[in-house]
Formats: sequence, C-alpha cells, structure tokens
Amino acid sequence: DAGVIQSPRHEVTEMGQEVTLRCKPISGHNSLFWYRQTMMRGLELLIYFNNNVPIDDSGMPEDRFSAKMPNASFSTLKIQPSEPRDSAVYFCASSLGGGLSNEQFFGPGTRLTVL
Amino acid sequence: DQQVKQNSPSLSVQEGRISILNCDYTNSMFDYFLWYKKYPAEGPTFLISISSIKDKNEDGRFTVFLNKSAKHLSLHIVPSQPGDSAVYFCAATGSGGSNYKLTFGKGTLLTVNP
Repeated sequence: DAGVIQSPRHEVTEMGQEVTLRCKPISGHNSLFWYRQTMMRGLELLIYFNNNVPIDDSGMPEDRFSAKMPNASFSTLKIQPSEPRDSAVYFCASSLGGGLSNEQFFGPGTRLTVL
Repeated sequence: DQQVKQNSPSLSVQEGRISILNCDYTNSMFDYFLWYKKYPAEGPTFLISISSIKDKNEDGRFTVFLNKSAKHLSLHIVPSQPGDSAVYFCAATGSGGSNYKLTFGKGTLLTVNP
C-alpha cells in the first residue's frame, strides 16, 4: 500500500490567498484526521472524520478553516483567507477505526508558508 | 495548557547505550499512552503503546514504563542504534467516547552517535 498521500508537500502563498491541502487515506480506512504541527503548540488535532462524516471539529482554529471528505478516498483542508500565523506543517492521518486499538497512519505532511 | 509534556527537547546518547525519553501528563482521564517516532520530512509512525492497567510494555529494544501515581511515562531504547535518531512524540488519550483524540507532547529529538 502507498500509505497516506498528501499534496502538495510544500506550499508557499501570500497572505489573503486561499490554500487547499489534499489527502488520500489508506484504502479501507474509515477514519481520517487532520493535524497541525507548530513550534508553539506542537501537534494538535484539527478535525476527525468517521465514514466521511465530521465527528469532531473542535480543533479547527476559526472559520477561515474548513475541511471536507466527499468520499472515502479523498479529503481537503481549506484555509481562506490564509494568514502568516497559519504557517505550519499539516498532517493527514487515517485508521481502520477511531478507537484505541486502531493505529493512526500519518502522511508525510504539507509544509505551508504564508508570507 | 499543555496536558502532555516532554520537558527535554533533545537527548544525545552513544550507540549501544540506553536512551530514556520522558513524558509527563496532567489529565487524570488519560488512560492510554502511545509513543510515535518521526524522521525528517516524514509523518509520525506508531512505535509502542501502553494501557493504564499495565505498568510496562516491551517490544524488542523498546520498553515503555508507566507510573500512574506520578503521571509519568518513559520510553527506554536498549541498545540504541544510529537509526533510532529521530523525534519521539508521547501521546495520550482517554478510553471514553473521544478515544480517537490523541494529545501529543512537543517531542524530544534523539540523536544516537556512532
């Protein structure tokens, strides 16, 4: 299996622009997670989908952030408009289920720089 | 408020010696703990976990110890190898309805010198 696929791997944009990050989970996994890693806050969960339905979006920082999962093999995280403080590494992860025994497999991440 | 803390940003050890990475937590509802390993330009990968009903879990060269009364866990790597050089994240979760939600520490960079 190819693992979790994220694109792009690097994104540099200017403040105010829309940014879309993409994720393809491992085939057969029904849980998908978006995380953000920053120096200040470390790795934090933004949103969790189960069977394509958002279950917990309490980590989404503000209305500028939105995430969708139109089908079991694709998810997007959109930031509109982007701000310099959104600069971070964004990880997508997937698992067979949402429970304790279900290991989360992470993608390689997207490094976002907002100028 | 950091609920999972890894107070050592970095650790350097010699090949063949023991590496001990520490993690403290504050939330009493946490009862399942995990360690993830991360190489540069890659995502974190699961390494080992422990439930609060145990105080030790071993997998090859990796052992995790849990001290619930002290709210402390540690990861021991014996013997350490240069390929173990990576950032290690401690994570915790509860066993209730939000057991998907991992709370991570900020990580410890381990360097194993040949």
